[in-house]
Amino acid sequence: GAGVSQSPSNKVTEKGKDVELRCDPISGHTALYWYRQSLGQGLEFLIYFQGNSAPDKSGLPSDRFSAERTGGSVSTLTIQRTQQEDSAVYLCASSLGRDRTDTQYFGPGTRLTVL
Amino acid sequence: AQTVTQSQPEMSVQEAETVTLSCTYDTSESDYYLFWYKQPPSRQMILVIRQEAYKQQNATENRFSVNFQKAAKSFSLKISDSQLGDAAMYFCAYRGTIIIQGAQKLVFGQGTRLTINP
Repeated sequence: GAGVSQSPSNKVTEKGKDVELRCDPISGHTALYWYRQSLGQGLEFLIYFQGNSAPDKSGLPSDRFSAERTGGSVSTLTIQRTQQEDSAVYLCASSLGRDRTDTQYFGPGTRLTVL
Repeated sequence: AQTVTQSQPEMSVQEAETVTLSCTYDTSESDYYLFWYKQPPSRQMILVIRQEAYKQQNATENRFSVNFQKAAKSFSLKISDSQLGDAAMYFCAYRGTIIIQGAQKLVFGQGTRLTINP
């Protein structure tokens, strides 16, 4: 079946602009995760959704970052007033979210460049 | 908090040879999962192998196997008969099992870039 998809693949924006990144999880996966991959910080967890609720937002770096998930499917990560340090690859993953054996499957990521 | 350490930023191996990538982790939990993910230039993170901490037997997937030493908190990946397509960044990752807030996230190491020499 189809894997996790993310759009856009690449995004270039100017400092101070808002951006929206989209994630389409694998059909039937109730859990969804956002991670950020940057040169200086490696792979960092941002936020976790179970259904439409986000029980763990502990990785969001500032209040400029927010995410939502609607219909238990598509998720959008929004970065307001982008800064150069926001430049990174943003990865989305999904999983069945049912039990302890859960395995996360990743999308191809969105490369964000803030000029 | 759990941490994962990969001490080898880069490794290289001749095609058809065997290479071992190292990973250590720190946790106070007794039950958890460990993973190796591969990330080729396409950026897609691909699951290579998974190990459950309560299973003593080392996981194996075709040419990929792990050496899981729970007491030493070590989880190395062995790639046998290396192929050009194995060239990628390899990430070791940890996940807890307690279904509470924060337990589902993956904690990653810094990665090891593997080069395969023809």
